[in-house]
Amino acid sequence: SQQGEEDPQALSIQEGENATMNCSYKTSINNLQWYRQNSGRGLVHLILIRSNEREKHSGRLRVTLDTSKKSSSLLITASRAADTASYFCATDKAAGNKLTFGGGTRVLVKP
Amino acid sequence: GAVVSQHPSWVICKSGTSVKIECRSLDFQATTMFWYRQFPKQSLMLMATSNEGSKATYEQGVEKDKFLINHASLTLSTLTVTSAHPEDSSFYICSARDPGTGAYEQYFGPGTRLTVT
Repeated sequence: SQQGEEDPQALSIQEGENATMNCSYKTSINNLQWYRQNSGRGLVHLILIRSNEREKHSGRLRVTLDTSKKSSSLLITASRAADTASYFCATDKAAGNKLTFGGGTRVLVKP
Repeated sequence: GAVVSQHPSWVICKSGTSVKIECRSLDFQATTMFWYRQFPKQSLMLMATSNEGSKATYEQGVEKDKFLINHASLTLSTLTVTSAHPEDSSFYICSARDPGTGAYEQYFGPGTRLTVT
């Protein structure tokens, strides 16, 4: 079963705008990761945030984690058409444990 | 970065036949690999955890006799869909952890699209 939900399920924005998506989970976690999947392809790891971290940056990506609310957000700044993809959050309960994925957010960046 | 490959990338088979999908870690040794299934516009659902040299651990609701997993070496895990039916048509993705770089990140293969006619 899935750990949680992602919101929104779909997002359509113009190139240059920011895209924000949220992920909620149900049980305590060790780490939360965000992945990108282009249509019909495998997953690409974007960023990992540990349970004792609150915010992390990587290039145009910003991830926050609120363990008290069991939620995380992924912000993509200055979006590009190439950012069009599905984005998934995934959680694990312990190091090296299996990942449980959220439902995903489909992002469309219009040029 | 670590690379995981899958073969074949797509396969069409007739109902009742068996299909084998390979997952390889190309530049690292993976003691643990994971197999996921993904239906169109849905998320990834973990099917099983494949451990080198031992039996796979299947998730609840996944038929172990239908989805045979073998992890015979540190770089290869195989998933065999036995007596495939149209409802088995899906996108199958494997992943592997590279213990040499850390215990957290999983590297995903490009996926195998299975169509059962």
